[in-house]
Amino acid sequence: AQSVAQPEDQVNVAEGNPLTVKCTYSVSGNPYLFWYVQYPNRGLQFLLKYITGDNLVKGSYGFEAEFNKSQTSFHLKKPSALVSDSALYFCAVRDMGGGFKTIFGAGTRLFVKA
Amino acid sequence: DTGVSQDPRHKITKRGQNVTFRCDPISEHNRLYWYRQTLGQGPEFLTYFQNEAQLEKSRLLSDRFSAERPKGSFSTLEIQRTEQGDSAMYLCASSDLQGGETQYFGPGTRLLVL
Repeated sequence: AQSVAQPEDQVNVAEGNPLTVKCTYSVSGNPYLFWYVQYPNRGLQFLLKYITGDNLVKGSYGFEAEFNKSQTSFHLKKPSALVSDSALYFCAVRDMGGGFKTIFGAGTRLFVKA
Repeated sequence: DTGVSQDPRHKITKRGQNVTFRCDPISEHNRLYWYRQTLGQGPEFLTYFQNEAQLEKSRLLSDRFSAERPKGSFSTLEIQRTEQGDSAMYLCASSDLQGGETQYFGPGTRLLVL
């Protein structure tokens, strides 16, 4: 069965500092991996995805993530955080060979202090 | 706006009543998903349609839940005999093959069962 773990409920970072939001996953086959962001009173917005190819994926708003197959991780990163990055971030996985079900993590709340 | 739309945005009902939600996907998307999200959790997969065919349904979905996509365009999610535990945000998402599995989410319908 597929699963996603976001080990941190909350991440605090100062504006201008690099940020990392962690995600690990478990699937039987090869994964599709996604990051979404949710702002208050707004729907989930797609940030980036890994399907195949280069392990370093670049996405919207300066975010990037690195697929690490040996560690089954897909951590979200940004070199310099902005206050406006404060939001709820969700990692998601789908098993390429396991149907259409996408599993989301419980989310990590990011606070960026000015 | 050509994004995913959902109606209604909010629904308050009494326990035991039936409710129906509507989702209009992005027009060229043939894949449609329903999720449920409760406070502090990530979206939980409910069901998946490809065109008008319901190809996957979560085992967590009780018989009181039913979804349709009769013409392969909009979809409805009906909950019969609502219970207080059904209170949640119900999210709809759509995607297409050309989009590389990226799901685009609607704003959600927030259900409160009294």
